[in-house]
Amino acid sequence: QSALTQPASVSGSPGQSITISCTGTSSDVGSYDLVSWYQQHPGKAPKLMIYEGSKRPSGVSNRFSGSKSGYTTSLTISGLQAEDEADYYCSSYAGDSAGYVFGTGTKVTVL
Amino acid sequence: QVQLQESGPGLVKPSGTLSLTCAVSGGSISSSNWWSWVRQPPGKGLEWIGEIYHSGSTKSNPSLKSRVTISVDKSKNQFSLKLSSVTAADTAVYYCARDTTGIDPWGQGTLVTVSS
Repeated sequence: QSALTQPASVSGSPGQSITISCTGTSSDVGSYDLVSWYQQHPGKAPKLMIYEGSKRPSGVSNRFSGSKSGYTTSLTISGLQAEDEADYYCSSYAGDSAGYVFGTGTKVTVL
Repeated sequence: QVQLQESGPGLVKPSGTLSLTCAVSGGSISSSNWWSWVRQPPGKGLEWIGEIYHSGSTKSNPSLKSRVTISVDKSKNQFSLKLSSVTAADTAVYYCARDTTGIDPWGQGTLVTVSS
């Protein structure tokens, strides 16, 4: 059970859009629609931003959107704001015997 | 609104057993959800440990399965984690959380250090 692959860092200027990729395998992202994205600010617990690939929980800004194609899922943040600076993790279900696998994490920097 | 709170020793000796409890408030642990444990070593990424349903059914990370025990106490509306034979590599912030179709909400996390 290997971690999903994310870029270590992504940056953008305020108002721009950025996309974070998350690549898995046929055993996780490729087989299940149970892909989630989490935002984590320093010293804080992660916060669910996207679930089931593209759904937003109540209270999450519509500037955050998710998509999936094959073994890769992506998180797009549009209209980048200073408060979006944080670490982002993807996660996928990988079956009852493996449970969940998280991505390696991406640090988003707002320039 | 469901809230979760981890509790337990912050320091565990090598080869000992790490024991944590997660108290659930604002909702019933017998609802149709799984209840999860996730950990994060200092400066590193998230690792899913395992989860339990109120019936007692469990799922665990294959890499930790032999050392992990997760249990539920419905009378106290809480669930627990035991991790045996710990080493310094098990030093991490441990989070408990609810698993619906995404892991949410999360507890604030508790740092457990493995050291003599």
